[in-house]
Amino acid sequence: SQQGEEDPQALSIQEGENATMNCSYKTSINNLQWYRQNSGRGLVHLILIRSNEREKHSGRLRVTLDTSKKSSSLLITASRAADTASYFCAKDSSYKLTFGSGTRLLVRP
Amino acid sequence: GAVVSQHPSWVICKSGTSVKIECRSLDFQATTMFWYRQFPKQSLMLMATSNEGSKATYEQGVEKDKFLINHASLTLSTLTVTSAHPEDSSFYICSAPTDLTSGHYNEQFFGPGTRLTVL
Repeated sequence: SQQGEEDPQALSIQEGENATMNCSYKTSINNLQWYRQNSGRGLVHLILIRSNEREKHSGRLRVTLDTSKKSSSLLITASRAADTASYFCAKDSSYKLTFGSGTRLLVRP
Repeated sequence: GAVVSQHPSWVICKSGTSVKIECRSLDFQATTMFWYRQFPKQSLMLMATSNEGSKATYEQGVEKDKFLINHASLTLSTLTVTSAHPEDSSFYICSAPTDLTSGHYNEQFFGPGTRLTVL
């Protein structure tokens, strides 16, 4: 069963706004990864944050990790219509990835 | 970056037939690959871990005899759905890690997926 839950399940924002997605997990992790999936396609790796890191940036993406709360968040700043996709967090432990339930992001032009 | 391919990208078959899906790492060697299944608007569920030169490790609830996995070489893993039924219709995705550092995998690269429809 899935170890991570994400919220919100769906998010609709206007282009230019920021989008924040949250992910929670239950057991210890080596690292936590965020992936993006366009409809009907494979996954694209966005960012990896290790268990000893608290924050990481990549372009318009900012990821935080709070191991005490077993939660992570993904912030996309200045969103674009092309950011419309599903976003998944994935917990890396025991040599396997366990995916969260995902957030479907719609960015309206 | 590393590239993982899958073939075919989509397949339609009759109930009772077997379907083979290939997953290839194009520019790196992968001693381990992972197979996932994704139903519409749902998350990815890990089915099994494919290990080169040894038996695959299946997740709880996944039938070994129904989903046959063969990791024939360092760049190829195959998933065969045997005696497929309509409930097996799904999106099958493979992935491969490129690095094994300090005892754990880093970034994984995913194939584009194979959409299986069983009539």
